[in-house]
Amino acid sequence: DAGITQSPRHKVTETGTPVTLRCHQTENHRYMYWYRQDPGHGLRLIHYSYGVKDTDKGEVSDGYSVSRSKTEDFLLTLESATSSQTSVYFCATSRGQGNTGELFFGEGSRLTVL
Amino acid sequence: DQQVKQNSPSLSVQEGRISILNCDYTNSMFDYFLWYKKYPAEGPTFLISISSIKDKNEDGRFTVFLNKSAKHLSLHIVPSQPGDSAVYFCAASAAGANNLFFGTGTRLTVIP
Repeated sequence: DAGITQSPRHKVTETGTPVTLRCHQTENHRYMYWYRQDPGHGLRLIHYSYGVKDTDKGEVSDGYSVSRSKTEDFLLTLESATSSQTSVYFCATSRGQGNTGELFFGEGSRLTVL
Repeated sequence: DQQVKQNSPSLSVQEGRISILNCDYTNSMFDYFLWYKKYPAEGPTFLISISSIKDKNEDGRFTVFLNKSAKHLSLHIVPSQPGDSAVYFCAASAAGANNLFFGTGTRLTVIP
């Protein structure tokens, strides 16, 4: 298994506050992804990165930004959290492009926005 | 709009019997399909995949079948074991894309 750790694992915050979730990997995988999991929607891609400082939007990117300054770290930021961003967030990595390569997931970060 | 659909939110099967999980997709550009398994409080883990050039892929107790004309795939688990109890996600992607589209998941319970 790829060594993927997410922090924090649980967070409760208030509407309007900024939140940053961190993903750290030890496998030197090129691609990194942030997904959110919601009932009735499965997992949906927020943003992904295909290299240091190379990022792109996924299908539900509004209200989120990302940064990748090092191969091993991928940060997801909610500039001003809203209740609709209450979700479980999963980071994933892959050696190659995610469409044909296996994704390795972290254990998830549960975010509650009150 | 959900491009990958798993219409059965849950499935219960007796230990030793076959489990069949179904998945439908709408995008004809999808050419690679995967199944992921998820235990509570853990991230999903890759289970098995199939390319659109095949109609079947087998790995031990797990077999995935693809019917491109019906835009349908299924995962067969034989024999089912209690440790197989988990949520199973179907996922699909198109060539050249970086996104995997996931279904909503099916919770499988294998009864000892």
